[in-house]
Amino acid sequence: AQRVTQPEKLLSVFKGAPVELKCNYSYSGSPELFWYVQYSRQRLQLLLRHISRESIKGFTADLNKGETSFHLKKPFAQEEDSAMYYCALSEGVTGGGNKLTFGTGTQLKVEL
Amino acid sequence: DAGVTQSPTHLIKTRGQQVTLRCSPISGHKSVSWYQQVLGQGPQFIFQYYEKEERGRGNFPDRFSARQFPNYSSELNVNALLLGDSALYLCASSRAPQGNTEAFFGQGTRLTVV
Repeated sequence: AQRVTQPEKLLSVFKGAPVELKCNYSYSGSPELFWYVQYSRQRLQLLLRHISRESIKGFTADLNKGETSFHLKKPFAQEEDSAMYYCALSEGVTGGGNKLTFGTGTQLKVEL
Repeated sequence: DAGVTQSPTHLIKTRGQQVTLRCSPISGHKSVSWYQQVLGQGPQFIFQYYEKEERGRGNFPDRFSARQFPNYSSELNVNALLLGDSALYLCASSRAPQGNTEAFFGQGTRLTVV
């Protein structure tokens, strides 16, 4: 069974400090990995996906198949980055559908 | 362009009752998925529908059922409600069911079972 682990419930950093939100996954095939974000009083939305290999709002994430990780990183945290971040996995293009398996989430708090 | 809309936004039900939650996908999206989010946890997959057919089902009891209509809107039904069914129910739509397709989420329906 597939599983996504986010070890930190809360991560508190100062503005301008680097950020790394950890995500490890367990899946036997070739997964698609995503980071979703939920800002205060807003709906859950896609931040980035590994297949795009792009930087969104200064965030990047690299899929490391050897370590089964997909950590989210940003070199300099900004106050507006404060939000709940969820790592999610799906079975991939050839999988049975767009079933997303989510981690438990990490609340990022950027302090001034 | 309107996003995914869910109704109602809040609902209070008594144990043993039945509830129906509704979801309208983004125009042009043919796939709808349902998730349950218990406080402090990430969303948990319940169902996925595509072109009115069930494409995936999570580890939920048969008390949970869903359907998709010709206009691609969807309903989630839960029978014989238990206190543990209290949660935020999220609907997500996407153009297709493939795993690399972006899912767009609604604001959710907060269900409280008393």
